[in-house]
Parts: sequence; structure tokens; C-alpha cells
Amino acid sequence: EVLLQQSGAELVRPGSSVKISCKASGYTFTDYYMHWVKQRPEQGLVWIGRINPANGNTIYAEKFKSKATLTADKSSNTAYMQLSSLTSEDTATYFCTRFRGYNRGFDYWGQGVMVTVSS
Amino acid sequence: EIVLTQSPTTMAASPGEKVTLNCLASSSVSYMNWYQQKSGASPKLWIYGTSNLASGVPNRFSGSGSGTSYSLTISSMEAEDVATYYCLQLSSYPYTFGAGTKLELK
Repeated sequence: EVLLQQSGAELVRPGSSVKISCKASGYTFTDYYMHWVKQRPEQGLVWIGRINPANGNTIYAEKFKSKATLTADKSSNTAYMQLSSLTSEDTATYFCTRFRGYNRGFDYWGQGVMVTVSS
Repeated sequence: EIVLTQSPTTMAASPGEKVTLNCLASSSVSYMNWYQQKSGASPKLWIYGTSNLASGVPNRFSGSGSGTSYSLTISSMEAEDVATYYCLQLSSYPYTFGAGTKLELK
């Protein structure tokens, strides 16, 4: 069974950074790109970027290039996203999701991590 | 960036009613994927490759379209279909979602 288990909720101060994780199981981690998606409270879904766990290659949406850093650890089958210089605009739920292909889309999703930026 | 415009933003349907949700792309895309998201839950793949139902999706759902115009249809609305539905294009970076259609029960 494919599972993407994300880390727990975070309460962080403005200006700080946070690193959230996504542990994959039930499939070969390096065979599928991992993508990340943002959802602000009561808002829609926004694509952040993706990482190829096999070689660490990344692609980001323009608006997240200086905000998010995606990494992957093949030894632990875990993908990470670090968010920096946090503001209230970063308060959101962040999902990791496995990419199955251009016509198959994102087939499995993590449960989401709620990041709250507040002083 | 390809902008996806979903319509309507919100709609209410009666049990048994036929429902059509639309997704208009600002440029032509090869496929459209649809996701269902219920309150407090992660999105679920619902329709992929424009017209293929994901595993476990009832066959009252269907998807169609090409180029810049796509749709998701429910042949007969049921209470369990209450959710927000998002379209997603993967034809070019950045990948983009529509703003969603919130489907309610009348």
C-alpha cells in the first residue's frame, strides 16, 4: 500500500524557517517525482514545485523560488520542503503528492501539514 | 502560465440531478485531471487523462473535453458527491489548478 506520511503541524514565528517532511512507503521512492502543493485556509490548491528523488533535480513555480527548497533522502525514502522567511501569507496546509505521469496526475497524497505563522 | 477558469464557483444540486462542472484553459492542454476534496481532507485523484475514472470512483462520474475546454459530469447527483472539485493541468510548467467548484446538496 502506497503511503505518504507527513510530519506534524507547526507553529512558527514570522521571519523564521520551517522544514516539513514526507515519508514514502509501499513503492520505490526513486521511481516517482514528488510534488508539493499549498492550500491556504478556505482557498484553492497552488503548485509549489517538484523534486526527482533519484537525482535531486528540482523545478519550482516562480513565486516559490525564493521561498521553498525541496530535498530528498533516498536512504530514508523521505522528501522534505523547507520554507524560509515566513510571513502570515505562508500560513497554509502543505501537501506532498506522488506524480504518476502527465496523463495520470498526482495519484497519492500525504495528509497535509498545517503551518501557522504567528508571533 | 496556463490559467484554468472553473465554473460555476458554487452550485447546489438535488439528488438525482445531472451536474456539469466546467474548466476552461487559457491555452490548449493535452489532458485534464480532476480532484475531489472534501472538507478537512486531502485531495483525491478523481478523473485522469481527461476521461478516465480513478480507482473507486463511481461510474456516474465522467470526464470529457479537449484543447481548452473540459468538463466533469455527474449523471445523477448523490449526497456523497458533496465536495469541491479542482481541475489540474500538467501540460506545462508551472502546473496550475483551477480555483475549484464547490458542489452542495439542494
